[in-house]
Amino acid sequence: DGGITQSPKYLFRKEGQNVTLSCEQNLNHDAMYWYRQDPGQGLRLIYYSQIVNDFQKGDIAEGYSVSREKKESFPLTVTSAQKNPTAFYLCASSIREFGELFFGEGSRLTVL
Amino acid sequence: DAKTTQPPSMDCAEGRAANLPCNHSTISGNEYVYWYRQIHSQGPQYIIHGLKNNETNEMASLIITEDRKSSTLILPHATLRDTAVYYCIVRVEGYSGAGSYQLTFGKGTKLSVIP
Repeated sequence: DGGITQSPKYLFRKEGQNVTLSCEQNLNHDAMYWYRQDPGQGLRLIYYSQIVNDFQKGDIAEGYSVSREKKESFPLTVTSAQKNPTAFYLCASSIREFGELFFGEGSRLTVL
Repeated sequence: DAKTTQPPSMDCAEGRAANLPCNHSTISGNEYVYWYRQIHSQGPQYIIHGLKNNETNEMASLIITEDRKSSTLILPHATLRDTAVYYCIVRVEGYSGAGSYQLTFGKGTKLSVIP
C-alpha cells in the first residue's frame, strides 16, 4: 500500500549526540515536510522540500538539517545544536499541485 | 499563509452534529481552507478542503461564509472515535513562488465527544 513510513517510532538519545530520523514515501509525491510537535502545541514546520536536491527552512530550522537526494526520501538530522530536541516529529508529503498532506505516524525522540 | 483562529476546546454529545468554527479574516483570494484532525500521538489526517463553495465528503461538510473570512467544519453524527484535535489551515494551491509550500498549523480545537 502507498504511504509514508517513519522510523524509528521511538528513539532515545544522550545529550550531545546527533540523531537521524528516516522518512520514506512511495506515493510519488514531489513535496515533503518535517514538522515538530510539543505537548499541547500545534505543528511547527522545520524544513520542507518541493523537489529533489532542493529544500527550504521552515519556522524552526535551527539545530536541524535535512537532505533530499531521492524523491522518496527526506531524512531529518537532529543535531547537538538543537537545545530542546525532545518532541514528536512528523513527516508529510503532498502532490505538488494539490495541498492535501499525507502524514507518517511520527517519531518520538527523547533526549536523556 | 493566512493565520487562523480556533477555539481551544469543544464538547459534543455522541450522535449529535459537531460544528467546529474557524476564523481566517485575512485570507486571500487564492487561498484554500483545509481541515485536518489528529488523534492522540498519531499523524494528522486530512478531512476536507474548499475554496468558496460548500463541500461535503464521507467524513464531513465544510461551510465557508460568502466573504470567506470564516468557515465551519461539520461532523454530522459525532462518534467517540471523532475525539481528536482539529486543525484549520489556509494555503494557496499549487506553486506560487518560493515559500508557497510553507504550511502553518496552529494549536487547533480539541473536540471531546461525550457518551
